Amino acid sequence: NAGVTQTPKFQVLKTGQSMTLQCAQDMNHEYMSWYRQDPGMGLRLIHYSVGAGITDQGEVPNGYNVSRSTTEDFPLRLLSAAPSQTSVYFCASSKQITGTTYNEQFFGPGTRLTVL
Amino acid sequence: GDSVTQMEGPVTLSEEAFLTINCTYTATGYPSLFWYVQYPGEGLQLLLKATKADDKGSNKGFEATYRKETTSFHLEKGSVQVSDSAVYFCALRDQTGANNLFFGTGTRLTVIP
Repeated sequence: NAGVTQTPKFQVLKTGQSMTLQCAQDMNHEYMSWYRQDPGMGLRLIHYSVGAGITDQGEVPNGYNVSRSTTEDFPLRLLSAAPSQTSVYFCASSKQITGTTYNEQFFGPGTRLTVL
Repeated sequence: GDSVTQMEGPVTLSEEAFLTINCTYTATGYPSLFWYVQYPGEGLQLLLKATKADDKGSNKGFEATYRKETTSFHLEKGSVQVSDSAVYFCALRDQTGANNLFFGTGTRLTVIP
C-alpha cells in the first residue's frame, strides 16, 4: 500500500494563478480531508469529505474548492492564488467513524506551496 | 468552540532527560484526545490517544493521561532519545459526527546527544 500520496511536493505560484493539489489513497477509506499548516497556528481544516459525492467546509474554506468523484481521490483547487495561501498542505484519510469510535487519520507527506 | 492550547516551543533537551509537553483543551462534553508526531519532512503520525476521562494513552515510551478535572492531556517521556526530535501536536476530535480534528500549535522538540 502506498497509503496517502500527494502531488506535487513543492509548488510556486504567482498571485492570481490557479492550480490543483492532488491527493489519493489506496486504503479504501471513506473519510478524506485537507489541512493547512502555518507557523504558530498548527493545522487547520479546510474541507473534508465523508464519502464520494459528499463534501463539507472546515474551519478555513475560503479560496479553496474540493470535489470527491471517487473514493480514492480528493483534489484541492485554488481558484485564484493569494500570498495568504502560502502554506504547507496536508491531506488525510481514515475509515468512516461508527458511533463514537475514532478511526486513526493517515496523513500524506504534504505539499509546500508558495504564492508570490 | 472547541480548541486546544499547547505549550510553546521550541524545547531542547539532552538525551535521557525527562520530557513534558503541556496541553489543555476547551470543549463541550468529553472529546477524544490525541498526540500526533511529525518527523522532519514527513506527514503527521498518531502517537497515542485517550477516548475518555482517566484513560492513559501510551506508545514508544510516551504517555499522556486524560484529566477532565484540569482539562489537560500532557505528554511525558521518562528518557528522550535523539530520534524523538520532532514536532508534537496535541489534538481533539470534534463532536459533530465527522472524524475531524482540532490541533494545537505544535511543539518542536530537539534532543541533543
